[in-house]
This record gives sequence, structure tokens and C-alpha cells, in this order.
Amino acid sequence: DAKTTQPTSMDCAEGRAANLPCNHSTISGNEYVYWYRQIHSQGPQYIIHGLKNNETNEMASLIITEDRKSSTLILPHATLRDTAVYYCIVRVNNAGNMLTFGGGTRLMVKP
Amino acid sequence: NAGVTQTPKFRILKIGQSMTLQCAQDMNHNYMYWYRQDPGMGLKLIYYSVGAGITDKGEVPNGYNVSRSTTEDFPLRLELAAPSQTSVYFCASRLGLARSYNEQFFGPGTRLTVL
Repeated sequence: DAKTTQPTSMDCAEGRAANLPCNHSTISGNEYVYWYRQIHSQGPQYIIHGLKNNETNEMASLIITEDRKSSTLILPHATLRDTAVYYCIVRVNNAGNMLTFGGGTRLMVKP
Repeated sequence: NAGVTQTPKFRILKIGQSMTLQCAQDMNHNYMYWYRQDPGMGLKLIYYSVGAGITDKGEVPNGYNVSRSTTEDFPLRLELAAPSQTSVYFCASRLGLARSYNEQFFGPGTRLTVL
């Protein structure tokens, strides 16, 4: 599996966009980029995933560079409830699609 | 839908004791997973199942057993508890492999301490 590199922590002002970067320079052609988050003491929550094209859903947008070596998760209007650890995971889509979470980025949304 | 439910929420075991962590989902999902998360660390896959009657080992299966007799339930069994099994255990489920079914839904977790 491709390794991912994320900043350890980030701050964001409430109401502003939060842009969380992820480097995955060794990604293979059939590997997807997934984003999950974990709010303190809760189970992980799926946010979004993509292969090549940019993706958007009700929670966030995912921007993947043309060479697919990096991506950015965008929370357009961060709220205090978005304070969590955000995990970028690169995996192929198969049955044993385990989500091996690395360190992630601890996002602190401040009033 | 209740989603993915786990019981108990907390448990303290003595070394050598056994217990079963329960996991159930009411979304008719085919795939189910058990993960453990040690303090300050990411998730590690213990076992997974692609359907009733089918299970397979994940990254850290030693000391655990699973069964999948129904689509809804996926219990995790610890036979001889050891301090190294102190962790938070998460169960997750997923409908299938199709792109639109890619999301894994997680339960609230079971916090297990082995003393």
C-alpha cells in the first residue's frame, strides 16, 4: 500500500475553509484516496474518497492532483464540531479493504 | 436504522478470562470488520467477513476468533485475555465493493482493559 504523509496538526478559524493536505507519492494506478475522521472517543467516520477526479459531497471536497501524488481535503465552512483527527488512506478497492490509519492530522477549529 | 451497534461499551477482564464482543448491523451489509485501536495509534484490522459463513484474518488476528452465522451479527471472541489486548475495539460494516458502496460505517467501540 502507498504510504501517506500528513501534517501532525492544523488550526482553522470557525467559518473558514479548512484545507488538509496529504502526500501519497508512491500511489499506484488502482489505489483510491480515502478520507476518514475520528472525533474524540468515537468511531471513525467516512468523509469522501476518489480515484482521479475531484469529488464533492455534503461534507467536503477532495482535490487530487493530476499526477495523483497528493490530495487536499477541503471542509468549506469549518465548525467547532469538525475538530477531529483526519486520516488520509490510500488503498485498492478489494474485499479485505482494511483501513490502516496512520497518524492523521489533528484539526482544531477555533472560535 | 440503528446502524452498527456494539456491546458492551466498557469491560474490565482479568488475565486469562474469556469474553465475546458483540457487533450487529441492520443495514444488510455484506462486509463486516473488526479493528483495534491502541491509545494514540491508528486502527489495525483483526478479522473481516465478506458474507455469512465466510471470515478471514486481518493484520493482527492472534488471540482472537470470529464467526459470521448471520448477515447481521459478527461477534469477536477473546479466549485467554492478555494485557496486550487492552484496546478500543471497533466493528465496521460496508455494503459491497462497488464504488457507491465504498463507505465503511463504524460502531461506537468497546473499551477493553485487561488487568
